[in-house]
Amino acid sequence: DGGITQSPKYLFRKEGQNVTLSCEQNLNHDAMYWYRQDPGQGLRLIYYSQIVNDFQKGDIAEGYSVSREKKESFPLTVTSAQKNPTAFYLCASSLGRKDTQYFGPGTRLTVL
Amino acid sequence: AQKITQTQPGMFVQEKEAVTLDCTYDTSDPSYGLFWYKQPSSGEMIFLIYQGSYDQQNATEGRYSLNFQKARKSANLVISASQLGDSAMYFCAMRDLQTGNQFYFGTGTSLTVIP
Repeated sequence: DGGITQSPKYLFRKEGQNVTLSCEQNLNHDAMYWYRQDPGQGLRLIYYSQIVNDFQKGDIAEGYSVSREKKESFPLTVTSAQKNPTAFYLCASSLGRKDTQYFGPGTRLTVL
Repeated sequence: AQKITQTQPGMFVQEKEAVTLDCTYDTSDPSYGLFWYKQPSSGEMIFLIYQGSYDQQNATEGRYSLNFQKARKSANLVISASQLGDSAMYFCAMRDLQTGNQFYFGTGTSLTVIP
């Protein structure tokens, strides 16, 4: 089955630690995205990538980093520089930059 | 500037009745796309329906239809014959097709279907 997978579903981190969230898709989509969702709010764009080895900052990129070494994979690292990382993180992909985005199941990150 | 506005934080509807969820948008781009997503309590965002700014007819997908009023910049979602499984958060989103680089999401509407 084609789709987008994110792991882990729940992640706990101590303050000062970096963590990496996984996002994999087998839809053969060129574009991939990372969003952050806080309670009672919509989604805010962290980073996006339109092609392999290229990515751009979204609205709230500070404290986050990404890589796009393979078309299928777009991991997000939440660094210790991110002041308030507790949130729900959603990965999405689309065929091209103008196409519908499809989302993974999300990762809930909690900083202890 | 707020690109997408959803003014209804919460809505209730009786099972089997229709409900309209409001969405207004702001853009100067003549070419744009409007989307609705459903987010159940599990968290995953599920794509429901799409309307292009140049589409002549309102989009429909099963029990979902989009009431697109371009002059008013509104793109309301209509759910007919509500089911208990429709209880979820609903998000309206827009993408400017000239730049195409990102979606803009509203803050969502929580829909509860009452048996």
